[in-house]
Amino acid sequence: DVKVTQSSRYLVKRTGEKVFLECVQDMDHENMFWYRQDPGLGLRLIYFSYDVKMKEKGDIPEGYSVSREKKERFSLILESASTNQTSMYLCASSFSGTGVDEQYFGPGTRLTVT
Amino acid sequence: GIQVEQSPPDLILQEGANSTLRCNFSDSVNNLQWFHQNPWGQLINLFYIPSGTKQNGRLSATTVATERYSLLYISSSQTTDSGVYFCAVFKAAGNKLTFGGGTRVLVKP
Repeated sequence: DVKVTQSSRYLVKRTGEKVFLECVQDMDHENMFWYRQDPGLGLRLIYFSYDVKMKEKGDIPEGYSVSREKKERFSLILESASTNQTSMYLCASSFSGTGVDEQYFGPGTRLTVT
Repeated sequence: GIQVEQSPPDLILQEGANSTLRCNFSDSVNNLQWFHQNPWGQLINLFYIPSGTKQNGRLSATTVATERYSLLYISSSQTTDSGVYFCAVFKAAGNKLTFGGGTRVLVKP
């Protein structure tokens, strides 16, 4: 079975802090994704990566950066957390470079910025 | 970009009832997935179904790609079926998975 894990289920940070959200997949998938989910706005893509050290912006990249130094790990970085980044963050992975394959999601991280 | 609409937005069922959830999308797609989001927020994969029909236990799904819709059937519903069901489509040109707004299902005992 595909397993996608995220470093924390719940996280509370203060405004201005640098925040790291980690995601690890164990199926040698090429693609990895970060989404955020907000009531009324649904799931929106922040960034994705189709290979090590490669990244592409999604719909809402402002205020975020990512890092993919190893194939199995994809990190989302909030350089200076703000209250409007309070949200549910979901990581996903899929097999092929085209991105067409089935995406598998991690359990999510509920981030609160105070 | 591609639009994905799900209906109904909310559904209340008595345990044992059957139901159909619908997903309409505005353009041709390369991939369509159905997910169940449990109360803890995790998205559980139900079906990967860009076309055709699949069944998994009490759940089944049909996608008619030429008419740009997909249906998810829940038979003999159970309280554990409660949660939000999402349809999501992938179009290679857009290079991302686009989600519908979800159908919130509540199954009462």
